[in-house]
Amino acid sequence: DAGVIQSPRHEVTEMGQEVTLRCKPISGHDYLFWYRQTMMRGLELLIYFNNNVPIDDSGMPEDRFSAKMPNASFSNLKIQPSEPRDSAVYFCASSLTRMNTEAFFGQGTRLTVV
Amino acid sequence: GEDVEQSLFLSVREGDSSVINCTYTDSSSTYLYWYKQEPGAGLQLLTYIFSNMDMKQDQRLTVLLNKKDKHLSLRIADTQTGDSAIYFCAESYTGRRALTFGSGTRLQVQP
Repeated sequence: DAGVIQSPRHEVTEMGQEVTLRCKPISGHDYLFWYRQTMMRGLELLIYFNNNVPIDDSGMPEDRFSAKMPNASFSNLKIQPSEPRDSAVYFCASSLTRMNTEAFFGQGTRLTVV
Repeated sequence: GEDVEQSLFLSVREGDSSVINCTYTDSSSTYLYWYKQEPGAGLQLLTYIFSNMDMKQDQRLTVLLNKKDKHLSLRIADTQTGDSAIYFCAESYTGRRALTFGSGTRLQVQP
């Protein structure tokens, strides 16, 4: 398996535009997580899914953020409209149900909103 | 406030041991993890410890857990320049599969 695949790797957009970040989890993993990493706030959980169902979205900053998982092999995170303070690295991770298993992280999407 | 806390920076010489410390507040933590992040990359799991264990050793890595003080440490023996990275402590507990991360400790290994 190629691991967790995120696209794009880098995204530069203008304030007010819609941004879509994509993630393909490892095949067979039933948990998917979206994290955001910034210098100020470190790594924050935004939302996670179990078997394609959102379990906890309390970390989603505001209504401008939405995430979907239409099937077991794809998730997207949308920001509409984007703002400069959304600039961060967004990580997707996936794992199996068992607690003592690794959450595998993608390489991240570096988002810059100008 | 933050649930998991770490010091921000550690500098050691190549060949020395490194000790990275972490404190957590959630007494229901079931698993505690150490992740490594190299520049421009995602996070990679180094090791984890179950909360009923005191110590776990894996090659050059030793994890110590003091559950009473809610203190976790990662010791890297014979630290190499390739160990330079940011190290994150994280916790999870039964019923919440997502991880809560500390702020990360940047380890700098000097030749």
